[in-house]
Amino acid sequence: DVKVTQSSRYLVKRTGEKVFLECVQDMDHENMFWYRQDPGLGLRLIYFSYDVKMKEKGDIPEGYSVSREKKERFSLILESASTNQTSMYLCASSSLAGGSYEQYFGPGTRLTVT
Amino acid sequence: ILNVEQSPQSLHVQEGDSTNFTCSFPSSNFYALHWYRWETAKSPEALFVMTLNGDEKKKGRISATLNTKEGYSYLYIKGSQPEDSATYLCACNTGTASKLTFGTGTRLQVTL
Repeated sequence: DVKVTQSSRYLVKRTGEKVFLECVQDMDHENMFWYRQDPGLGLRLIYFSYDVKMKEKGDIPEGYSVSREKKERFSLILESASTNQTSMYLCASSSLAGGSYEQYFGPGTRLTVT
Repeated sequence: ILNVEQSPQSLHVQEGDSTNFTCSFPSSNFYALHWYRWETAKSPEALFVMTLNGDEKKKGRISATLNTKEGYSYLYIKGSQPEDSATYLCACNTGTASKLTFGTGTRLQVTL
């Protein structure tokens, strides 16, 4: 079974703190993604990566950065957390093999910024 | 940014009812349409990935159809059960991009 794990299920941080969200997948997938999910807005793509050290901005990258030093790990960084970044964050991965690009999701991290 | 729309936003049905939801997406540069089920406190899980116009897929009581020319997909649930309660997401990718654009989801609640 594909497994995507995220470092925390729940996280509470203060405004201005630097926050790291970690994601690890064990299926040797090339592609990895970070989304945030807010009520009424669905899943919105923050950043994605299609290879080690490669990254591309998604639809809402402002206030975030990412790091992919190893194929299995994709980190989302909030340089200076703000209250409007309170959200559910989901990581996903997918493979080029098969061509369907089905994404496999982690359990999510609910981040609260106070 | 692609515009993927789902309707209805939410749905409340009785056990045993059959139901369906709609996903609409831009038909130009279409590559694939995905349906995911997202249960509370769990990760979204893929139900179907469809690529061909006229495609129909089935998994147990759940089925989906695809019309790429007019840009819509239907998800059907026959004889809904309480365990079907979840948010159903559709997503679209265009060209050969691995990036998906998600709709806002349809939240289904099935009661006894």
